[in-house]
Amino acid sequence: QVQLQESGPGLVKPSGTLSLTCAVSGGSISSSNWWNRVRHNNWWNWVRQPPGKGLEWIGEIYHNGSTNYNPSLKSRVTISVDKSKNQFSLKLTSVTAADTAVYYCARWDAQTDAFDIWGQGTMVAVSS
Amino acid sequence: QSALTQPPSASGSPGQSVTISCTGTSSDVGDYNFVSWYQQHPGKAPKLMIYEVSKRPSGVPDRFSGSKSGNTASLTVSGLQAEDEADYYCSSYVGSNNVVFGGGTKLTVL
Repeated sequence: QVQLQESGPGLVKPSGTLSLTCAVSGGSISSSNWWNRVRHNNWWNWVRQPPGKGLEWIGEIYHNGSTNYNPSLKSRVTISVDKSKNQFSLKLTSVTAADTAVYYCARWDAQTDAFDIWGQGTMVAVSS
Repeated sequence: QSALTQPPSASGSPGQSVTISCTGTSSDVGDYNFVSWYQQHPGKAPKLMIYEVSKRPSGVPDRFSGSKSGNTASLTVSGLQAEDEADYYCSSYVGSNNVVFGGGTKLTVL
């Protein structure tokens, strides 16, 4: 049973960089399974939720390092993968109070074309 | 890409049915059958309830069902129970390897 766990600082200063890591356990981030679907394999995602608001997709990474980002955040986001540690990471630069949110990592499952596994989420506040 | 449109709230009494809509465009909901629904209880992570418009993952009660017509997808919860009270979010693949969520609907069981 694959599980995801986010970690990282809970407080970031304005104009600074938010850095989070998602550890994958119970399965490999480099799964070799291939499905005859629109998206043939699993992708590893970041989703955030500002306090009292809805979900916002940030971006995703494939185990080979290929990435896709939300166009509205693309200029500030970098997602990377460390296969040796079975984890992937998020960096968001030039943060403001608007980036205060609960950050979730989630797996996009190629068999269901949906986010089937989520981490518990980690709250990050942007404040001086 | 714009967020999908959901009503901010919905409600029903125990045992009743309630339907939540999710309206997009011909470029997202109308163009793909990759619409999914998530249930989120306060302080918890979202949980997948419906995928590919109308399919249920293992373990999700058959009281939950999904459908789509044109640019609008819908989630119906039949036989409402107290534990169904939660926020519900729709999501759609929008092509070019992008995903968009709805604004969320707070379901209240009266």
